[in-house]
Amino acid sequence: QQQVKQSPQSLIVQKGGISIINCAYENTAFDYFPWYQQFPGKGPALLIAIRPDVSEKKEGRFTISFNKSAKQFSLHIMDSQPGDSATYFCAAIEREYGNKLVFGAGTILRVKS
Amino acid sequence: NAGVTQTPKFQVLKTGQSMTLQCAQDMNHEYMSWYRQDPGMGLRLIHYSVGAGITDQGEVPNGYNVSRSTTEDFPLRLLSAAPSQTSVYFCASSLRQNTEAFFGQGTRLTVV
Repeated sequence: QQQVKQSPQSLIVQKGGISIINCAYENTAFDYFPWYQQFPGKGPALLIAIRPDVSEKKEGRFTISFNKSAKQFSLHIMDSQPGDSATYFCAAIEREYGNKLVFGAGTILRVKS
Repeated sequence: NAGVTQTPKFQVLKTGQSMTLQCAQDMNHEYMSWYRQDPGMGLRLIHYSVGAGITDQGEVPNGYNVSRSTTEDFPLRLLSAAPSQTSVYFCASSLRQNTEAFFGQGTRLTVV
């Protein structure tokens, strides 16, 4: 049973468009939500992360929106570029008690030029 | 600065064979972990270590052993390979358990 549910499984977006990936969780003890980006043949790399006391975090073209009451968070990629084509994983961790990082199933993003 | 180094990058095993996947980090990180990545399932934790001499099981530990004799190295052993262990394996390290995880480039293992 996946503790973090991620959708969609795959996404095709035109260059310049907005890519949106959604995640949902049940464990209210989760207190840190990172997103990882993975290019083919490479390991995942941290992209951006948010704590649940913040509703939005923006880094360049990447924004995380967080809805604590709905237990949902999402990644928005503005002005999507072909170089953004990768697999994106949302994740969650309960930092205070040293619990482990749990990942969503991943979203394969393809940005068409 | 090498970061997290995994070897080999690719491996084909026959059912029943054993092998060790190597992982080394040069960042003096306390926490190291092994994940397997399968299509549609994300990354699932196999084993982890919070420091030299200390290891524990993750979500999918069956068929795998680990040890942590030094801070730098965290090998993953497959005792008797099965086709269900065909996967991409990633080693990760972090300064402490709940800080940013740095991943290696992965080992693609095929068991025939």
